[in-house]
Amino acid sequence: KQEVTQIPAALSVPEGENLVLNCSFTDSAIYNLQWFRQDPGKGLTSLLLIQSSQREQTSGRLNASLDKSSGRSTLYIAASQPGDSATYLCAVPRNYGGSQGNLIFGKGTKLSVKP
Amino acid sequence: NAGVTQTPKFQVLKTGQSMTLQCAQDMNHEYMSWYRQDPGMGLRLIHYSVGAGITDQGEVPNGYNVSRSTTEDFPLRLLSAAPSQTSVYFCASSYSLPLNTEAFFGQGTRLTVV
Repeated sequence: KQEVTQIPAALSVPEGENLVLNCSFTDSAIYNLQWFRQDPGKGLTSLLLIQSSQREQTSGRLNASLDKSSGRSTLYIAASQPGDSATYLCAVPRNYGGSQGNLIFGKGTKLSVKP
Repeated sequence: NAGVTQTPKFQVLKTGQSMTLQCAQDMNHEYMSWYRQDPGMGLRLIHYSVGAGITDQGEVPNGYNVSRSTTEDFPLRLLSAAPSQTSVYFCASSYSLPLNTEAFFGQGTRLTVV
């Protein structure tokens, strides 16, 4: 059974720091991994989709890496800003049984960037 | 381009009442799904649809009903609301099963059942 874990559950950093958010998964046979951002009381915004054949994807100050063999993905945020404060979720598609293709989510890392 | 639109944003129901949460997408996506988000439980799949006329159950389907008569719309019906259904509900869509395509989410419906 695929399980997705995000550690730590919460992270507080001063503005300007570079930081790394972690996502681990138990079954390495994934098709892709998607990172989302969720602001308080809001929906999920897709940040990056990294395919299983890719090692990394970049969008602006964000860089996501994927290491299938070790069951890990990292989201690197450069030069963090207070506007980056949000909960970051990672998700992988279920690749077995019923509901195949539907997303399995981690519980998120709540990031706070202090001015 | 509106993306995925959910209505209403907030709703308070009394136990036993029924209601329909609306979800519409304008991206011509075949795949749509409903999740609920609860503290400490994360996001869990309720129902999903791989195209018009085709629906299936997810992880937590009890107490919910869905239908998909058009590509654009995927409403979620609560048959007889219970306090355990107090949650935030998210609708999502993607071009196909999210095995190779990006999933997009609506802004959510915050439901309270009293």
